[in-house]
Amino acid sequence: NAGVMQNPRHLVRRRGQEARLRCSPMKGHSHVYWYRQLPEEGLKFMVYLQKENIIDESGMPKERFSAEFPKEGPSILRIQQVVRGDSAAYFCASSPGSGGRYEQYFGPGTRLTVT
Amino acid sequence: SQQGEEDPQALSIQEGENATMNCSYKTSINNLQWYRQNSGRGLVHLILIRSNEREKHSGRLRVTLDTSKKSSSLLITASRAADTASYFCATVHQGGSEKLVFGKGTKLTVNP
Repeated sequence: NAGVMQNPRHLVRRRGQEARLRCSPMKGHSHVYWYRQLPEEGLKFMVYLQKENIIDESGMPKERFSAEFPKEGPSILRIQQVVRGDSAAYFCASSPGSGGRYEQYFGPGTRLTVT
Repeated sequence: SQQGEEDPQALSIQEGENATMNCSYKTSINNLQWYRQNSGRGLVHLILIRSNEREKHSGRLRVTLDTSKKSSSLLITASRAADTASYFCATVHQGGSEKLVFGKGTKLTVNP
């Protein structure tokens, strides 16, 4: 059973470009979470999705950031018009259910560098 | 802020010694999870402890939870150089979504 897959692992974008980060959850997992980690800090929650639905986006910046988890295919975190402050590691996690009973399993992360 | 806090921020020990890391949080939780992160890598899930549990073991790891004090501890026994990593606690809060609220972590160095 493959773990959570993220690609690309490293992404370099110039200011103003768009960044698309992909996450394929573990097989059988329908809950996906995105987190952001700045250097030397813990992870900060961004968004929680189930198939085709956004459940909690309380950690998402109001502008330029969007996320989706379509019926088919990976979850996508999209950052439009990137700025230097968007440089960070973005981690995706997945779990098989909700109700506070399940572990979240993390992918290896995408390291975004904005030049 | 609902963010958990780990204590100490950094810990340096010799191989074979035990390492204890603590975590405090502010609001009622459904569960608390501990993760390890090697430098520049992803997070590895270590243990989940539910709010109605007081202690859990997994190999050389022992986690305790005191909901009255809103605190948890992670004990690593007989440490190895390979245990060198950052350790994070993360909580799922009652009444909220499934999001994890992370602390800033404890950086553990185990010297050979």
